[in-house]
Amino acid sequence: DIQMTQSPSSLSASVGDRVTITCQASQDISNYLNWYQQKPGKAPKLLIYDASNLQTGVPSRFSGSESGTDFTFTISSLQPEDIATYYCQQYDNLPTTFGGGTKVEIK
Amino acid sequence: EVQLVESGGGLVKPGGSLRLSCAASGFTFSYAWMSWVRQAPGKGLEWVGRIKSKTDGGTIDHAAPVKGRFTISRDDSKNTLYLQMNSLKTEDTALYYCTTAGSGYYYHFDYWGQGTLVTVSS
Repeated sequence: DIQMTQSPSSLSASVGDRVTITCQASQDISNYLNWYQQKPGKAPKLLIYDASNLQTGVPSRFSGSESGTDFTFTISSLQPEDIATYYCQQYDNLPTTFGGGTKVEIK
Repeated sequence: EVQLVESGGGLVKPGGSLRLSCAASGFTFSYAWMSWVRQAPGKGLEWVGRIKSKTDGGTIDHAAPVKGRFTISRDDSKNTLYLQMNSLKTEDTALYYCTTAGSGYYYHFDYWGQGTLVTVSS
């Protein structure tokens, strides 16, 4: 199975800060990577697909990029409503696997 | 509007069985590849398995931890997805979501239900 190593597991930042989360795949997955946001008590929400494409309706402060097997998710200016846990997901091979998650809190 | 509504969760003893259902509406269910994803309390997301549409062969794949114990099926006449869970273990305790992708995709999980909680405990 492809392992997705996500870091950090948690972070605390101030409103307006730039926040970066990374996922490293254990092997080449091309750009077959998605990013999700999960707020407490809610189902996950797809934010970014195919590494860098913004899902319709998602604010432009969210973005994704890739470099080899390393993937980066960025919130350009953290907002209070962005408090959530974020997950990456690879779908190059079955089983599709998720990163361990990054819990984002406001400082 | 796409809706996915899971049901069937509950408390079951180790070794027991449970069948989850996911009622779908707002899209052409028969064309959709459907997946189950679970989340243990306070933990991350884990894919359980997927069933393709019949037009794509209806292939079913299950994750290794549940293979041989869980079975995914679908009834396109009822727009319903199922997860039959047998030989349940305490580590199967989780919130179980059904999910599917938008048109033209298979693993971009754009639509999710609210989840149904399965608790395996003696």
